[in-house]
Amino acid sequence: QLQLQESGPGLVKPSETLSLTCDVSGGSIISNTYYWGWIRQPPGKGLEWIGSIHNSGTTYYNPSLKSRVTISVDTSTNQFSLKLYFVTAADTAVYYCASPHSTAMLAFDIWGQGTMVTVSS
Amino acid sequence: DIQMTQSPSTLSASLGDRVTITCRASQSISVWLAWYQQKPGKAPKLLIYKASTLESGVPSRFSGGGSGTEFTLTISSLQPDDFATYYCQQYNNFSPLTFGGGTKVEIK
Repeated sequence: QLQLQESGPGLVKPSETLSLTCDVSGGSIISNTYYWGWIRQPPGKGLEWIGSIHNSGTTYYNPSLKSRVTISVDTSTNQFSLKLYFVTAADTAVYYCASPHSTAMLAFDIWGQGTMVTVSS
Repeated sequence: DIQMTQSPSTLSASLGDRVTITCRASQSISVWLAWYQQKPGKAPKLLIYKASTLESGVPSRFSGGGSGTEFTLTISSLQPDDFATYYCQQYNNFSPLTFGGGTKVEIK
């Protein structure tokens, strides 16, 4: 059973870089042709797709965040990562990593538990 | 961007009620729509994909329909476990992926 787990600092200062890692267990990150994703949810608000990465390294980003985001994959450690630069209070959210469905490949069927990141000095 | 508009934003219903949530896309997305259920403090759970295909393990009281720009999620008989927030997501392409604003199903 595939499982995903986010990790990283829960508090980031304004203008600094938010860095999160998603650990994939119960399966190989290169065992399929999926696009692994990052999604966030500000407190009390809806879901926002941040971006997705293929195990080949091909990435797609939300245009609203594209200038500040980098998503990368490390097949040797079975992980993929998110970096969000120059954060502000508006980036405070629960951040989820997720695995796409085997047939509906741009929908997400397995999610991490989420990690709360607060941007504050 | 393809905008996804859900209605209503809040729905009050009783156990056993039939409830329907609507999701409208700002342009045609064919059948490339998913529905999720989210409970407080938990990650979203995929219920339906390709507009009407039930994800494995999801109770049959959930059903989805529609194509093009208008979609529905129906719960045929509301159960205690169904009180949650529901989101639609279009996945026509990475242009970008977008979610609806959510519909909270509350106890009447």
